[in-house]
Amino acid sequence: SQTIHQWPATLVQPVGSPLSLECTVEGTSNPNLYWYRQAAGRGLQLLFYSVGIGQISSEVPQNLSASRPQDRQFILSSKKLLLSDSGFYLCAWSASGEQFFGPGTRLTVL
Amino acid sequence: GEDVEQSLFLSVREGDSSVINCTYTDSSSTYLYWYKQEPGAGLQLLTYIFSNMDMKQDQRLTVLLNKKDKHLSLRIADTQTGDSAIYFCAVITGGGNKLTFGTGTQLKVEL
Repeated sequence: SQTIHQWPATLVQPVGSPLSLECTVEGTSNPNLYWYRQAAGRGLQLLFYSVGIGQISSEVPQNLSASRPQDRQFILSSKKLLLSDSGFYLCAWSASGEQFFGPGTRLTVL
Repeated sequence: GEDVEQSLFLSVREGDSSVINCTYTDSSSTYLYWYKQEPGAGLQLLTYIFSNMDMKQDQRLTVLLNKKDKHLSLRIADTQTGDSAIYFCAVITGGGNKLTFGTGTQLKVEL
């Protein structure tokens, strides 16, 4: 069966520090991968999605970037965090429409 | 682009039925989904319906689709306190690569 992992589960970072959130999927090959941000417990905003290794589509302009160095690994990064980057970050995968979500990372930028 | 709307809150008594509504704009959406999110957790896929169906039932869950009015609903029978969560509807977009999510409906179940 397929599983999706995210780490860390929670993160507290100062403004201006770098960020790296990791997402890995097991039990499937060549999945579509997604990064979402959810603010204040509502409203999912799609940040990036990838249909293959090295292929990243950015949905919104921001100081975040994404990379897919391996088939089942998706990384969300920032060189310098802003206060507005605080939120709940969700990774998801799909093979044919429906998306399956990881447990999320709660990021607090102070 | 696709626009998906939901009411923000719904409060029901334990044992009653809950009906969560969703409207969307893209009539070409082929698959429509319902997700459940408990506090501090990721989204859990509850059920989905294909656009050529009017209704789908899965235990306590019933999904109704009115394609003409672009209206989707999720009915939860015999609502329990464990059903308290945020419920998102989502429709497939972007050539099948993306989902557009509604704003989420917070369901509160009272004793």
